Amino acid sequence: NAGVMQNPRHLVRRRGQEARLRCSPMKGHSHVYWYRQLPEEGLKFMVYLQKENIIDESGMPKERFSAEFPKEGPSILRIQQVVRGDSAAYFCASSPPLAQSNEQFFGPGTRLTVL
Amino acid sequence: AQTVTQSQPEMSVQEAETVTLSCTYDTSESNYYLFWYKQPPSRQMILVIRQEAYKQQNATENRFSVNFQKAAKSFSLKISDSQLGDTAMYFCAGTSYDKVIFGPGTSLSVIP
Repeated sequence: NAGVMQNPRHLVRRRGQEARLRCSPMKGHSHVYWYRQLPEEGLKFMVYLQKENIIDESGMPKERFSAEFPKEGPSILRIQQVVRGDSAAYFCASSPPLAQSNEQFFGPGTRLTVL
Repeated sequence: AQTVTQSQPEMSVQEAETVTLSCTYDTSESNYYLFWYKQPPSRQMILVIRQEAYKQQNATENRFSVNFQKAAKSFSLKISDSQLGDTAMYFCAGTSYDKVIFGPGTSLSVIP
């Protein structure tokens, strides 16, 4: 049973470009969470999605950031017109439906560098 | 709002010794879960141990154990017989409805 997969592992973009980060949850998991980790900081919640639904996006910046989790395929975190401050590690986590403990299984992260 | 505080940015311990990492979790929820995650240089987030708030018994996992003091909002992690592979960032975290809130982390170095 493969774990949570994220790609790419490393992504370099110039200011103003778009970044697309992908996350494939563990098999059988229908809940996906995105977190951002700035250098020397802990993880900060961004968004929680279920298939075709955004459940909680209270941690998402109001502009330039969007997320989706379509019926088929991976979850996508999209950052438009990236700026240097977007440079961070972006982690995806997944959990099965009705997870009582909210235990989330993390992917290896995507490290975004904006030049 | 839930808050997670880790007051020790950095700690070190001699190999084979015991070290305790501190955490406080402030929440208005009556039932919740607490976690310690380890993040080694590879950056992978690894679940170390989990505690259910309604359970009085402290969780243990091999060399790792927690001391959960609900009234004091304290959730410390004890690592016994420290090994070089324990060198990592350690994040305390707690559930908050549909998400997990993380503390700022403690950098632990195990010295040979």
